[in-house]
Amino acid sequence: SQQGEEDPQALSIQEGENATMNCSYKTSINNLQWYRQNSGRGLVHLILIRSNEREKHSGRLRVTLDTSKKSSSLLITASRAADTASYFCATDIQGGSEKLVFGKGTKLTVNP
Amino acid sequence: DSGVTQTPKHLITATGQRVTLRCSPRSGDLSVYWYQQSLDQGLQFLIQYYNGEERAKGNILERFSAQQFPDLHSELNLSSLELGDSALYFCASSVLAGGWGEQFFGPGTRLTVL
Repeated sequence: SQQGEEDPQALSIQEGENATMNCSYKTSINNLQWYRQNSGRGLVHLILIRSNEREKHSGRLRVTLDTSKKSSSLLITASRAADTASYFCATDIQGGSEKLVFGKGTKLTVNP
Repeated sequence: DSGVTQTPKHLITATGQRVTLRCSPRSGDLSVYWYQQSLDQGLQFLIQYYNGEERAKGNILERFSAQQFPDLHSELNLSSLELGDSALYFCASSVLAGGWGEQFFGPGTRLTVL
């Protein structure tokens, strides 16, 4: 099964509301990244959080990392219709085979 | 626009055929990564090249191969194609040799095998 799994699989909210997506993983990591993908297009890097960091902000994005629970959350505040996309977490496994492992994503729909 | 270019945008071919996908990384990036995205498998890392050398290998089938040329562009060759190879293939680039930091993704090549 996937190293990283996002929850929920789909999320529908109104413009202006906050959106929270969660990612759980199985093994220890070096870092965790969040990416956004608009329908059928290339992924866009949003934020990287290292295993020794607990929280990181970038504009309207806030990412937290809890290594004891092996989980991360991505919060998008004051959402806009343009935030409609799929959001993926990607983990870099500590001491594991060299690769970045992506979850299956959360599909976010922001209704105007 | 990420600065990573991929050609072609769409490719339709038949089972048993061979195709080549091409990627040009962002200016200054020495690492190129290939990914396959399908509905059932999600986004899977295939292979990484750094400055012409294979750096890391993921879930790449033996029927698939890649290389990175001296001008740093990369090609992914898919042979003996099967229906299940239909997917979006992404190339990404970064400045990093090792470790996994921010990657810049191209727009992808949509491969349809009939």
